[in-house]
Amino acid sequence: ETVLTQSPDTLSLSPGDRVTLSCRASQSVSTNSLAWYQQKPGQAPRLLIYGASNRVTGLPDRFSGGGSGTDFTLTISKLEPEDFAVYFCSRSHTLPLTFGGGTKVEIK
Amino acid sequence: EVQLVESGGGLVEPGGSLRLACAASGLNFNNAWMSWVRQTPGKGLEWVGRIKSNADGGTTDYAAPVKGRFALSRDDSRSMVYLQMNALRIEDTGVYYCASRPPPYGDFTFDYWGRGTLVTVSS
Repeated sequence: ETVLTQSPDTLSLSPGDRVTLSCRASQSVSTNSLAWYQQKPGQAPRLLIYGASNRVTGLPDRFSGGGSGTDFTLTISKLEPEDFAVYFCSRSHTLPLTFGGGTKVEIK
Repeated sequence: EVQLVESGGGLVEPGGSLRLACAASGLNFNNAWMSWVRQTPGKGLEWVGRIKSNADGGTTDYAAPVKGRFALSRDDSRSMVYLQMNALRIEDTGVYYCASRPPPYGDFTFDYWGRGTLVTVSS
């Protein structure tokens, strides 16, 4: 089973800041199987990025994903108030599907 | 608009059983692969299991911690998927989400999620 480790656990930032979240896999992951989700309190996760770098329809271009092999990133170029949330990376295409522990982006 | 609505959660004692249901609308349910993902205090987000469409064999697969205790089924006539949970443990406590995706069907990302139903296993 591929374990996904996200760091840091929490980031305290201000609107307008740039942030890069990290997701490290315990073994090499196919780029097309790495995704990112956003979750706000009381809500289900929401798919943001698939195939490591593809934004879902309607996602603002301030969100970008990258990486390959065992190291992947999600960057938000300029935080908007609605971006403060928890972000999870996920590996699909092979069972069991796995999720990282999440990084909480909170308002400083 | 796709909607997934879970029901059936509640409080149950260790060793007990619960059956969760997910009512789907707005998607081609007969062809959809349906999954359950849970969010627990101990392990965070965790894939629980998946049932393929009957056209793809109706195959079920489960995460190791629930294999042999949980069982997925589907009723295409009602656009429903069920998660029968037996021999429940305290560590099964969490919010259970029904999840799926548009074509292509497969063990890929989840574009659609329900709002979740809370399962609490406690004496």
